Amino acid sequence: DGGITQSPKYLFRKEGQNVTLSCEQNLNHDAMYWYRQDPGQGLRLIYYSQIVNDFQKGDIAEGYSVSREKKESFPLTVTSAQKNPTAFYLCASSTQDRMNTEAFFGQGTRLTVV
Amino acid sequence: AQKITQTQPGMFVQEKEAVTLDCTYDTSDPSYGLFWYKQPSSGEMIFLIYQGSYDQQNATEGRYSLNFQKARKSANLVISASQLGDSAMYFCAMRETLYNFNKFYFGSGTKLNVKP
Repeated sequence: DGGITQSPKYLFRKEGQNVTLSCEQNLNHDAMYWYRQDPGQGLRLIYYSQIVNDFQKGDIAEGYSVSREKKESFPLTVTSAQKNPTAFYLCASSTQDRMNTEAFFGQGTRLTVV
Repeated sequence: AQKITQTQPGMFVQEKEAVTLDCTYDTSDPSYGLFWYKQPSSGEMIFLIYQGSYDQQNATEGRYSLNFQKARKSANLVISASQLGDSAMYFCAMRETLYNFNKFYFGSGTKLNVKP
């Protein structure tokens, strides 16, 4: 079945550590996104990529980094520079050629700083 | 300015009744798409319904319908015959085509509680 896989589902990080969240899709989508969601809040865009080897900052990119070396993969690194990384992280993908296609989401990763 | 505004942080509805969740949007793009998602407590994002800016008729998908008022820039979600399983967060989203084609803007969400 086609879809988006995020791993791990739960992640614990010590202060000062970098951690990488995985996102893989087999939908053949060109565009991929990372969103952050805080409890009871909406989704805020961290980074997005429209094509391999290219990505753009979203609204809250500080303290995060991404790469897009393959069409299927868009990993997100939460660096030690991110002051409050505890949150729910959602990865999504979409086509570029049709406006009426929704964004497809992974199951999310809950990151907790301990 | 906020691209998507959802003014109802929380809503209660009696089981089997209809409920309307509000969404207003802001864009100067003549062509755009509007989406609604449901997020249960598990965190997954479930796509519900889509409305294109040029669509003449309001979108419907089963118990979900979208009350699209283009002049008012509103795209309210109507859930008919509410069920206990409808209790969740609901997000309105917009995708522009002329500018930022591949960015989806999300509202802050509305938490719906269905009472038995």
